[in-house]
Amino acid sequence: NAGVTQTPKFQVLKTGQSMTLQCAQDMNHNSMYWYRQDPGMGLRLIYYSASEGTTDKGEVPNGYNVSRLNKREFSLRLESAAPSQTSVYFCASSEQGGQPQHFGDGTRLSIL
Amino acid sequence: GENVEQHPSTLSVQEGDSAVIKCTYSDSASNYFPWYKQELGKRPQLIIDIRSNVGEKKDQRIAVTLNKTAKHFSLHITETQPEDSAVYFCAARGGTASKLTFGTGTRLQVTL
Repeated sequence: NAGVTQTPKFQVLKTGQSMTLQCAQDMNHNSMYWYRQDPGMGLRLIYYSASEGTTDKGEVPNGYNVSRLNKREFSLRLESAAPSQTSVYFCASSEQGGQPQHFGDGTRLSIL
Repeated sequence: GENVEQHPSTLSVQEGDSAVIKCTYSDSASNYFPWYKQELGKRPQLIIDIRSNVGEKKDQRIAVTLNKTAKHFSLHITETQPEDSAVYFCAARGGTASKLTFGTGTRLQVTL
C-alpha cells in the first residue's frame, strides 16, 4: 500500500555537487513524472516518462537528467547543482499519460 | 504553450459557506482539467477532474464546471469544513498529450 515512494526526504547540497533523487511506484502505472514546486509558482513539469524506456522534456528540464530504469522506477539527476534548483521535488505516476494521479511525499532540496 | 491563470490567490470563508475557485486556460485544444488539494507540508492529492466533453461533474461536496467557449473552469466546494483548508491547484492538459500546466494555487482557509 506504499503508492509512490521518494528518497531522500531532505537533502542539502553545495553548489556544483551532484545527486540523484529516487522514485518508485508499486501501482503498475505506465506514466511517471518529476515536478518541482516553488513558492507562488505551482508545480512545473521537469521530465515525463510515458512508459518504460521513454522520457520527454517538460517545462523546465535544464540542469536535470532522468532515467526510467524499469516500470517501477524513475530517477532524477542533478549533475551540477545550482542555488536556483533549491525547491521541493515531487514524483508522480498515473495509468494514462498527462494526468498525474498519485504523488510522492516530496524531496526538499536546498543548494547552498 | 498552455497558460493557466487561477483566482483568487487566497480565499477565506466561514465554516458552512461555499467556496469557488476559478481558472482560465489559453489552449483551446486542452481536454483534461484536474484539481488538486495540497495540505501544508504534504503531497498534492487529485480530488476531482473533468474532461472536455463534460460540462459539470460532482463528487459529494465538490463540483467542477467547465465552459469551453470561455475557456474557464471552476471548483465549487459546498458546506465547507475546517479540513477543507488547504492550497488548491487547477491544471489543464493542452494539445500535447502529456503536458499538464498548473495554476499558481489558491490558499483556502475555512474559519470557525
